[in-house]
Amino acid sequence: AQRVTQPEKLLSVFKGAPVELKCNYSYSGSPELFWYVQYSRQRLQLLLRHISRESIKGFTADLNKGETSFHLKKPFAQEEDSAMYYCALTRQTGANNLFFGTGTRLTVIP
Amino acid sequence: DTGVSQDPRHKITKRGQNVTFRCDPISEHNRLYWYRQTLGQGPEFLTYFQNEAQLEKSRLLSDRFSAERPKGSFSTLEIQRTEQGDSAMYLCASSLPGGGEKLFFGSGTQLSVL
Repeated sequence: AQRVTQPEKLLSVFKGAPVELKCNYSYSGSPELFWYVQYSRQRLQLLLRHISRESIKGFTADLNKGETSFHLKKPFAQEEDSAMYYCALTRQTGANNLFFGTGTRLTVIP
Repeated sequence: DTGVSQDPRHKITKRGQNVTFRCDPISEHNRLYWYRQTLGQGPEFLTYFQNEAQLEKSRLLSDRFSAERPKGSFSTLEIQRTEQGDSAMYLCASSLPGGGEKLFFGSGTQLSVL
C-alpha cells in the first residue's frame, strides 16, 4: 500500500530564511510525487511535480528514491509563501488518483 | 470564474437525512474526481470518472455514497442516511486527458451532520 508522511504539521520560519518541508513516502513501485499548495482562502492547486524537475516560485523538490523522500525547499522564504502544503503520490504516470499526506502549515514570520 | 464549481458551499443536515452535492468541472476536462477532507487530514480519494464512466471507487466509499456523471459533464455525489462521521469537506477536481496528476480543485462543499 502507498503512504505519504509529512512529519511536521506546523512550520514557522523567518522571512529570508531557508525553508524545507519534509515528505517521506512508502510504495513498492515507482511513484510519481507532487507538491500541492493551498493559500489562505484559495483552492488547492498544484505547485510542482518531480517529473518536471522545475522550480516554481523559487521552490524545488528532489526525489530521493534511496531515502524515499521528496522534500520541498526554498532558499529564502517570503511572506507570501505562508500556506498549507501537501505532498502527494500517484502509483504511476497518468494514474487516476492522488494519495495526499496530512499537510504542513508553513508560516513565514516578517 | 471558469474553474471547477461546487454547490452548495455549505450544507448542514440532520443525521439520517440524504444530501446531494454538485460539481461542474472545467468544460474541456474529461476527468472528474471526488475527494473528502476532514480536519487535520489531507484530501482522501473517493471516486473518479472519465467522461460518464465511473472507473474507480475507494473502499472509503460506502454503500450510502453514490456518484454520477450522467452526460460526462457535471457530477453529483449523494450521501444517504447521513451519519455524524460524514461531516467533512467534499472536494471535486477535474483534469485534462493525459494530465491526470494536475488536478484543478473546486472550493469544496462543507458538510456538517448534526
